[in-house]
Amino acid sequence: GDSVTQMEGPVTLSEEAFLTINCTYTATGYPSLFWYVQYPGEGLQLLLKATKADDKGSNKGFEATYRKETTSFHLEKGSVQVSDSAVYFCALSGNDYKLSFGAGTTVTVRA
Amino acid sequence: NAGVTQTPKFQVLKTGQSMTLQCAQDMNHNSMYWYRQDPGMGLRLIYYSASEGTTDKGEVPNGYNVSRLNKREFSLRLESAAPSQTSVYFCASDDRVFSDGYTFGSGTRLTVV
Repeated sequence: GDSVTQMEGPVTLSEEAFLTINCTYTATGYPSLFWYVQYPGEGLQLLLKATKADDKGSNKGFEATYRKETTSFHLEKGSVQVSDSAVYFCALSGNDYKLSFGAGTTVTVRA
Repeated sequence: NAGVTQTPKFQVLKTGQSMTLQCAQDMNHNSMYWYRQDPGMGLRLIYYSASEGTTDKGEVPNGYNVSRLNKREFSLRLESAAPSQTSVYFCASDDRVFSDGYTFGSGTRLTVV
């Protein structure tokens, strides 16, 4: 079945550092790929998405490119802020439209 | 504000008690979902409803039942709570046609003692 594997955390960074969170997937067909963010005490919010190969999703300075050849959708941000501290989830939606999530990566940014 | 509303936000149950988690969305979405979130395991699908009048099991349905009351509301019931059901529960909805991803509620933190 469909599955998502994302890098384990926790990740601790200093402000203005570069952030990468790796995500790879296994799926049949052509899934849509998503990154969700969960701030402390809140539900998940959609951060960005990509629906086909080579698409780049972007939002709030974060980017991820749908790489079908490497089955990856890595999340990047060039200069993180304290307000980016959160849990980040990679997810995919296959032919059945259900979302499958990775385990989540906790990111802490220190001033 | 449009979105997904879950009640209650917090709940403590004793083993064997029952309760229903409520979820309502006002975005006219066809599909609704119940997930549980446990440390290190991401979110796992309990049950979902692809459209009004239908429900299906997800990855971890044992110990739960659901009701799609109407297009807006999708409830999750624990008939006899167990400590293993201590978790944070999230309801979500989406419009499959536009593939914009899910909209999540703010969650219910359930502790079973």
